[in-house]
Amino acid sequence: SQQGEEDPQALSIQEGENATMNCSYKTSINNLQWYRQNSGRGLVHLILIRSNEREKHSGRLRVTLDTSKKSSSLLITASRAADTASYFCATDLSGYSTLTFGKGTMLLVSP
Amino acid sequence: ETGVTQSPTHLIKTRGQQVTLRCSSQSGHNTVSWYQQALGQGPQFIFQYYREEENGRGNFPPRFSGLQFPNYSSELNVNALELDDSALYLCASRTDRRLNYGYTFGSGTRLTVV
Repeated sequence: SQQGEEDPQALSIQEGENATMNCSYKTSINNLQWYRQNSGRGLVHLILIRSNEREKHSGRLRVTLDTSKKSSSLLITASRAADTASYFCATDLSGYSTLTFGKGTMLLVSP
Repeated sequence: ETGVTQSPTHLIKTRGQQVTLRCSSQSGHNTVSWYQQALGQGPQFIFQYYREEENGRGNFPPRFSGLQFPNYSSELNVNALELDDSALYLCASRTDRRLNYGYTFGSGTRLTVV
């Protein structure tokens, strides 16, 4: 079953614009992770945020976590065509456990 | 970019056959997980191995089985293939010394069952 649900399902923007994707989940977590997938190939880990953190940055990425609302958001600033991919949030319930993924957001960045 | 290697990259099998997919993890990565990703869906957890023992399993039937070897390689076996088994199969690994870091995924094996 899906723990996380990403919103929107698809997002189309122009280069230079910001892209925001949201993720909601159902149960308490240890951490939440975001991954990128290009053209149905392997997933690339982008960023991990622990349940006691509220915001985290990595380059052009900013992730927020609201455990009271069981939601997270991923912001990509100054998008580039190379950011075109599917983005998935994944929850880790205990820090030792496996990941439960949402269905993903397809991001298209046009030049 | 990735230290996890999966083979083969593509595979076509006939319904009812058996298949073995292989994964070679990064040295020191003693935890390996396998995921099934159907088209347009997120990855679904199949099972996880830690130091060569299964320590977690998703909602998959017993015809999905696996092994992890001391050299950080692992395999996923699927018996009595069904058409719905057609998917991208992903292997992911990590070390237990860095629990709050993400998994490293392989590029996947795309299995088509006809």
